[in-house]
Amino acid sequence: DTGVSQDPRHKITKRGQNVTFRCDPISEHNRLYWYRQTLGQGPEFLTYFQNEAQLEKSRLLSDRFSAERPKGSFSTLEIQRTEQGDSAMYLCASSFGAPGANVLTFGAGSRLTVL
Amino acid sequence: GQNIDQPTEMTATEGAIVQINCTYQTSGFNGLFWYQQHAGEAPTFLSYNVLDGLEEKGRFSSFLSRSKGYSYLLLKELQMKDSASYLCAVRDQAGGSYIPTFGRGTSLIVHP
Repeated sequence: DTGVSQDPRHKITKRGQNVTFRCDPISEHNRLYWYRQTLGQGPEFLTYFQNEAQLEKSRLLSDRFSAERPKGSFSTLEIQRTEQGDSAMYLCASSFGAPGANVLTFGAGSRLTVL
Repeated sequence: GQNIDQPTEMTATEGAIVQINCTYQTSGFNGLFWYQQHAGEAPTFLSYNVLDGLEEKGRFSSFLSRSKGYSYLLLKELQMKDSASYLCAVRDQAGGSYIPTFGRGTSLIVHP
């Protein structure tokens, strides 16, 4: 298993453009999370999937953000009409939803720069 | 929701011991995690506490007191490679989602 994969690793875009990030979780993990992290801050929760169902979305998540996990495997996070404030590292994590620790395993992240 | 507080930055000497504290407020505590994050890399899991007491794993130990809303991460025999950000995350069962909320992280600088 190669762990959690994210693509692209870096994206530079102009304000107003749309961007899409992809996350491939660990294959046996049924839970998938998206977080956003800016410099000097901890990861901030965006949204959560259990299998293909999106069960939780942060109230901070603008309508410009949408996430999908169509077959309960990979997930995409799309940001429409990007703004400079969207510049951040977008982290995906997955976990196996068993009782106990349910530790999140993170991908390396997708760094977005909005000019 | 949670309110998680940890120091912004700490410095220590190679070979020494350092304790990184984390305090939190939550309505439905369901576990506390410590992650290590090197600059530009993904957070990696270090430890998990759900019951009071000390969990030891090699050079790293983590302590939890649920009544005090307090945890610490203890790093022994510090090495230069331990220079990183250490993230405290608390899982809350309120609402049934069990999603970890992260603190802002403590940047640890280890110098020779």
